[in-house]
Amino acid sequence: DVKVTQSSRYLVKRTGEKVFLECVQDMDHENMFWYRQDPGLGLRLIYFSYDVKMKEKGDIPEGYSVSREKKERFSLILESASTNQTSMYLCASSFWGAKYGYTFGSGTRLTVV
Amino acid sequence: AQKVTQAQTEISVVEKEDVTLDCVYETRDTTYYLFWYKQPPSGELVFLIRRNSFDEQNEISGRYSWNFQKSTSSFNFTITASQVVDSAVYFCALSDGSSNTGKLIFGQGTTLQVKP
Repeated sequence: DVKVTQSSRYLVKRTGEKVFLECVQDMDHENMFWYRQDPGLGLRLIYFSYDVKMKEKGDIPEGYSVSREKKERFSLILESASTNQTSMYLCASSFWGAKYGYTFGSGTRLTVV
Repeated sequence: AQKVTQAQTEISVVEKEDVTLDCVYETRDTTYYLFWYKQPPSGELVFLIRRNSFDEQNEISGRYSWNFQKSTSSFNFTITASQVVDSAVYFCALSDGSSNTGKLIFGQGTTLQVKP
């Protein structure tokens, strides 16, 4: 059963902490994405990567960075967590090309206190 | 610019009612793909359907059906005889033709509540 796995379902961190959210896919997908989902705002793209060590900013990259050292793993990093980064974070992956669509992970609900 | 609009923020129906979720898109591409995803309370978005721009045939899968009309740039989703398990957030998405990487442009989502 192919899947996208996010390391934590729920996470509570303190303001100022460095936070790592991990995402692993086993489908040999080229593309990987990080979104955050907030009520009334839909899905907002933070970063995406179309190849190892490649990354592109999405719509809301401020306060975040990413790392993709291996094809199957895409990490989202909150350099110094703030309360306004409390959100649901969704990882997704896909093959390169317009027709494939995404496979999503189950999400990480992050609370920054 | 490419855009997906789901004008219905929330819909509430009683079980067994039919319900249609609207999706209107904007694109200048001649070749593009449209998608619907379901996000149940558990949180994971689940793929429902993909449609390419050259195939305007309506699709039916059990109680679900999709109506794709290029003339009105719409890709609407109908659930017939709704059930409580259909309660979820539904997202419509469009392939981003500007880059052809596979990135999707999502609508804001429609929250469907089906009451028993």
